[in-house]
Amino acid sequence: ETGVTQTPRHLVMGMTNKKSLKCEQHLGHNAMYWYKQSAKKPLELMFVYNFKEQTENNSVPSRFSPECPNSSHLFLHLHTLQPEDSALYLCASTTGTGDVQYNEQFFGPGTRLTVL
Amino acid sequence: AQTVTQSQPEMSVQEAETVTLSCTYDTSESDYYLFWYKQPPSRQMILVIRQEAYKQQNATENRFSVNFQKAAKSFSLKISDSQLGDAAMYFCAYRNYGGSQGNLIFGKGTKLSVKP
Repeated sequence: ETGVTQTPRHLVMGMTNKKSLKCEQHLGHNAMYWYKQSAKKPLELMFVYNFKEQTENNSVPSRFSPECPNSSHLFLHLHTLQPEDSALYLCASTTGTGDVQYNEQFFGPGTRLTVL
Repeated sequence: AQTVTQSQPEMSVQEAETVTLSCTYDTSESDYYLFWYKQPPSRQMILVIRQEAYKQQNATENRFSVNFQKAAKSFSLKISDSQLGDAAMYFCAYRNYGGSQGNLIFGKGTKLSVKP
């Protein structure tokens, strides 16, 4: 596979469940991101990792816990979520060197999360 | 804080015609980057075009071009010779130059329909 992949593509969970979202990039990038895309709202940046180190936590509730074991993999661990957390969660990656501000971010297809 | 506004929730264009999507932003910075991303239905978000604020020349990528008006803080996207495959959500995004990486600020998006 090439590009950025995300699993699962769809997830339904109860408020007391614990689940994890997985993102994998096959582009040799060093920076990875989690975004939340809710209906009729702008994409919200959640977390940024560069060379496996978290460089950004955009005031995300602690019920979302990211993990970046290496530059190719990014996880988002979920526990005790709320119905308002239902959204499309997008992963993205970019090269972590050079003019990273300008570099194109490559997005995965997203995980459609529904919290009951 | 920077904000990005897309005032057109939905737009429609006839195949082979030209359409312009609007985007305005608010920032006190002088150096920054602007992007247009495309998200087709159930498909991955991809970069369409990008512009560096210090460049006066408008960016062009094949049928896609921008009208960058720095003083007016406007960054519109023009799609020429529209094709059915152009139907998608289009997001305008802003990023500061320098500082923490990855902080793309998105607008709410414009849904573009292309009529055959």
